[in-house]
Amino acid sequence: EAGVAQSPRYKIIEKRQSVAFWCNPISGHATLYWYQQILGQGPKLLIQFQNNGVVDDSQLPKDRFSAERLKGVDSTLKIQPAKLEDSAVYLCASSRRLAGGPTDTQYFGPGTRLTVL
Amino acid sequence: AQSVTQPDIHITVSEGASLELRCNYSYGATPYLFWYVQSPGQGLQLLLKYFSGDTLVQGIKGFEAEFKRSQSSFNLRKPSVHWSDAAEYFCAVGTMDSNYQLIWGAGTKLIIKP
Repeated sequence: EAGVAQSPRYKIIEKRQSVAFWCNPISGHATLYWYQQILGQGPKLLIQFQNNGVVDDSQLPKDRFSAERLKGVDSTLKIQPAKLEDSAVYLCASSRRLAGGPTDTQYFGPGTRLTVL
Repeated sequence: AQSVTQPDIHITVSEGASLELRCNYSYGATPYLFWYVQSPGQGLQLLLKYFSGDTLVQGIKGFEAEFKRSQSSFNLRKPSVHWSDAAEYFCAVGTMDSNYQLIWGAGTKLIIKP
């Protein structure tokens, strides 16, 4: 089965510009996650979707970050405007499970490395 | 609050030598435990996981991990490392208290000496 797809793989922007990342999860996976991974740290969950609904966005900086999962499949994460501290790798993951159930295996895409200058 | 500690930021091992990467967690009950590996420029790949049962878990690429409840640990081991094992390794736990979301350690970077 195809894995989690993400694009672009790399992006360089100036601060205050906008950027969008795309994710296509594994077919049939109900739950989709966006993580931010700053160099030297573990991933930090930004937002979790179940189908096309938001389960948890408590750590999403909503003044500048937004995300949607149209039709419960693909997802887009946007940053507007970007700050220097947003430089990180943005990882998308998906899992079969529905929210509220025991932890399921998450499958990760290759990530998008964002550099904000 | 739950937490995951990987005490070693970097570990250097000679090719062919054995490896143990440490992971300790803070949680009152048994969590769901995972080890992931991240090669340079790649996403995270699951090595192995523990949910219940036999406390010695076998994973891919010749890795294994042992859950020790008394020590709140889930250390990753490999009897003989290969140069291709050079990567960053992350331990993660999922608990009911975290709504089963993963709590991640900071990672251990494995360096292989030829």
